[in-house]
Amino acid sequence: IAGITQAPTSQILAAGRRMTLRCTQDMRHNAMYWYRQDLGLGLRLIHYSNTAGTTGKGEVPDGYSVSRANTDDFPLTLASAVPSQTSVYFCASSEAGTSGRPYNEQFFGPGTRLTVL
Amino acid sequence: EDQVTQSPEALRLQEGESSSLNCSYTVSGLRGLFWYRQDPGKGPEFLFTLYSAGEEKEKERLKATLTKKESFLHITAPKPEDSATYLCAAKGYSTLTFGKGTMLLVSP
Repeated sequence: IAGITQAPTSQILAAGRRMTLRCTQDMRHNAMYWYRQDLGLGLRLIHYSNTAGTTGKGEVPDGYSVSRANTDDFPLTLASAVPSQTSVYFCASSEAGTSGRPYNEQFFGPGTRLTVL
Repeated sequence: EDQVTQSPEALRLQEGESSSLNCSYTVSGLRGLFWYRQDPGKGPEFLFTLYSAGEEKEKERLKATLTKKESFLHITAPKPEDSATYLCAAKGYSTLTFGKGTMLLVSP
């Protein structure tokens, strides 16, 4: 079934540890995104990539890094986790826009629930 | 700064009781208005895209409409399985901005 997979499903992490959240899509979408979702704050964009080899910062990028070596994979790394990074993390992807449809809907993965102690 | 506000925050309906969810937006140069459904513990599931004022989209018991300042998600004769959080998001010149969602509970 086409879509987005994320791993792990959940993780408990000690503060100060390094962690990489994995995201893979098989829809051949050019653009990929990482969000965090917190109660009362909604979905906030961390980083994005419009195409393989390029990345950009979103609303809350501090403490996170990403890479986009190929079309399908977009890992998110926490270099040194802190308790405020406790959240649910969602990866998403979308097709590139066209002149007729400059922006397309994003499709989301199932999420990773991360707890930093 | 782009803003998206959803109301109400929570809504409880009886099965068959139709209602509407509101999404008010302030974005520069709207490029698309999106509705998603999110079940507990799951990722948002795409429902509709609206691109211009006056546009309408329908899917089963759901109908989304768009004006220059807001979008409505109309739910006709809802069933318990329609219970979920509904998110809207607006894309302006910059990034996609999400609202905080409306939690809908439909009781049998």
